[in-house]
Amino acid sequence: NAGVMQNPRHLVRRRGQEARLRCSPMKGHSHVYWYRQLPEEGLKFMVYLQKENIIDESGMPKERFSAEFPKEGPSILRIQQVVRGDSAAYFCASSLGQGGTDTQYFGPGTRLTVL
Amino acid sequence: GENVEQHPSTLSVQEGDSAVIKCTYSDSASNYFPWYKQELGKRPQLIIDIRSNVGEKKDQRIAVTLNKTAKHFSLHITETQPEDSAVYFCAATPGGYQKVTFGIGTKLQVIP
Repeated sequence: NAGVMQNPRHLVRRRGQEARLRCSPMKGHSHVYWYRQLPEEGLKFMVYLQKENIIDESGMPKERFSAEFPKEGPSILRIQQVVRGDSAAYFCASSLGQGGTDTQYFGPGTRLTVL
Repeated sequence: GENVEQHPSTLSVQEGDSAVIKCTYSDSASNYFPWYKQELGKRPQLIIDIRSNVGEKKDQRIAVTLNKTAKHFSLHITETQPEDSAVYFCAATPGGYQKVTFGIGTKLQVIP
């Protein structure tokens, strides 16, 4: 059973470009979460999605950032017009979503560097 | 919303000694408390979790305790080994909702 997959693992962008980060949840998981981690810091919640629905995007900046989890395919975190401050590790996690409080499992992360 | 405080931020122990990391939370509705270990450059990995209907849980050298009245929970690692060196995050989740709030993390160094 493959774990949570993320790609690319490393992404370099110049200021003003777009970054697309992909996350494939564990098999059978229908809930996806995105977190950002700055160097030497903790995990900051960004957005929580179920298939075709954004449940909570309270941690995501209102501008330049968007996320989706389509019916088919991976979840995508999109950052438009990247700035140096966007450089961070972005982790995706998934859970079964059977109700209550189920465990989140993390992917390996995408390390975004903005030049 | 939920607020999780974690301390200490760094912890150094001699190999074989015990390590204790403490967390407090603010939302009395929280009922699930996972702990994650993150090695340098790697993903956070769940090492143990506890639900609010349990006061203590143990898995080999790792144990977690929960005091719902005081709203705090702790991670205990006994007989520490160098491979325990990592950053440990506590977290809390309010009941019926999946948003997990993480503590700031504790960098544990086990000195051989």
